[in-house]
Amino acid sequence: DAKTTQPTSMDCAEGRAANLPCNHSTISGNEYVYWYRQIHSQGPQYIIHGLKNNETNEMASLIITEDRKSSTLILPHATLRDTAVYYCIVLYGSYQLTFGKGTKLSVIP
Amino acid sequence: DAGVTQSPTHLIKTRGQHVTLRCSPISGHKSVSWYQQVLGQGPQFIFQYYEKEERGRGNFPDRFSARQFPNYSSELNVNALLLGDSALYLCASSGVDRDNTEAFFGQGTRLTVV
Repeated sequence: DAKTTQPTSMDCAEGRAANLPCNHSTISGNEYVYWYRQIHSQGPQYIIHGLKNNETNEMASLIITEDRKSSTLILPHATLRDTAVYYCIVLYGSYQLTFGKGTKLSVIP
Repeated sequence: DAGVTQSPTHLIKTRGQHVTLRCSPISGHKSVSWYQQVLGQGPQFIFQYYEKEERGRGNFPDRFSARQFPNYSSELNVNALLLGDSALYLCASSGVDRDNTEAFFGQGTRLTVV
């Protein structure tokens, strides 16, 4: 599976959009980009995934660049409950998720 | 529907003992995976089972073993516990579609080895 690079931490004001970047320059053509988050002391939670096209669901939007070497997770209106560690993972055909250190997002009142 | 359930939620064991952790996947899910998360790190893959067969194994010693039952529930066993085995053990279940490997995690079992 391809390696990802994420900033260690980010702050976001409550009510503003949180934009979390992820670099995955070695991604293969059939690998998906997945985002999970982990709120303190809880199990990771699936957020969204995509292959080429931008995706949106009730939680977030995923923007993947045309060359697929990077992506951005967007939380449109961050709340205090969105404070968590966010993991960007790329994989295909495997249930084996490889978690890096992720980005610790702090939503500030 | 109930999510992924794990038991027990917390456990304290002594070095050298063995432990059994249990996981019930989401109804209809046939794949169960186990992860270890030590403090300050992301979860690390231990095992994946699909239809009762081991499909993947992470870089863990043979002291770690697992199995999946006909009802798709699973057990993770760790023998000869070390202090370094203290961690949050997470179970995740996934559906059948290999192109949609969305995993659902339980709340984990917090194991403390003293």
